[in-house]
Amino acid sequence: GENVEQHPSTLSVQEGDSAVIKCTYSDSASNYFPWYKQELGKGPQLIIDIRSNVGEKKDQRIAVTLNKTAKHFSLHITETQPEDSAVYFCAAGGSGYSTLTFGKGTMLLVSP
Amino acid sequence: ETGVTQTPRHLVMGMTNKKSLKCEQHLGHNAMYWYKQSAKKPLELMFVYNFKEQTENNSVPSRFSPECPNSSHLFLHLHTLQPEDSALYLCASSQSSGQGNGNTIYFGEGSWLTVV
Repeated sequence: GENVEQHPSTLSVQEGDSAVIKCTYSDSASNYFPWYKQELGKGPQLIIDIRSNVGEKKDQRIAVTLNKTAKHFSLHITETQPEDSAVYFCAAGGSGYSTLTFGKGTMLLVSP
Repeated sequence: ETGVTQTPRHLVMGMTNKKSLKCEQHLGHNAMYWYKQSAKKPLELMFVYNFKEQTENNSVPSRFSPECPNSSHLFLHLHTLQPEDSALYLCASSQSSGQGNGNTIYFGEGSWLTVV
C-alpha cells in the first residue's frame, strides 16, 4: 500500500522565521496531497492541498511544492506567528486506495 | 465549525460498559470515516462507509461496531473496551471514497475516550 514519511517530527522556530515540513510517498499513482493543521484539542483542519498536475500552490503565507519524479512534497510557512503552533499532517491519496494515507505529523512550535 | 459534528466530546467508560459515539455531517457528502488517533502514532483509519455501505474495515477488533443508517450519520458502538483503546476518535466525511479520485476529507473535532 501507500506509505507516507514525514519529517521532522518536531520543529521549533522563532516568530518571523520560515518553517518547512517535508513528506515522501511511495505510490507513484497518488495524485492528491493535502496538508492538515491540528490545534490542541481539535480535529485536523485542511489548510492547503495540491494535485499532481501542478508543481506549486500558494495561499498567503502558506505554500506547498510537489516533485512527482522524486515523490516528495513540502509545506512552507513564511513569517511564522505563534498561532501557527500546531501539529501538521501531510497525506497522499487518489491512487488505487479508497482514502488518504497520513504522515505521522510534525509538531511546529513558534516562539514569540 | 467544520460541518462534521461529533458527540460526546469526552467520554470515560469502564471496561464492561457499552457506549456509543455519534457523528453527523452537514456537508452533503456520501462517504464517512472513523479514525483513531493515539499519542505519537499516525492517524489510523478504522472504517469507511460510502453511500451507507461499509467499504473498508482495517482489521478493527469486534469490540468496535460501526453503524451508518444514512449518508449523514455515523455511529461507533463500543463495548468491553480495553485501556489501550483510550484515544481520540475522529469522524470525517468526503464527497465519496471512490478509488483513483483524491477527495478532500473533512474532520470533526473528535471524541476523547478514556477507558478505565
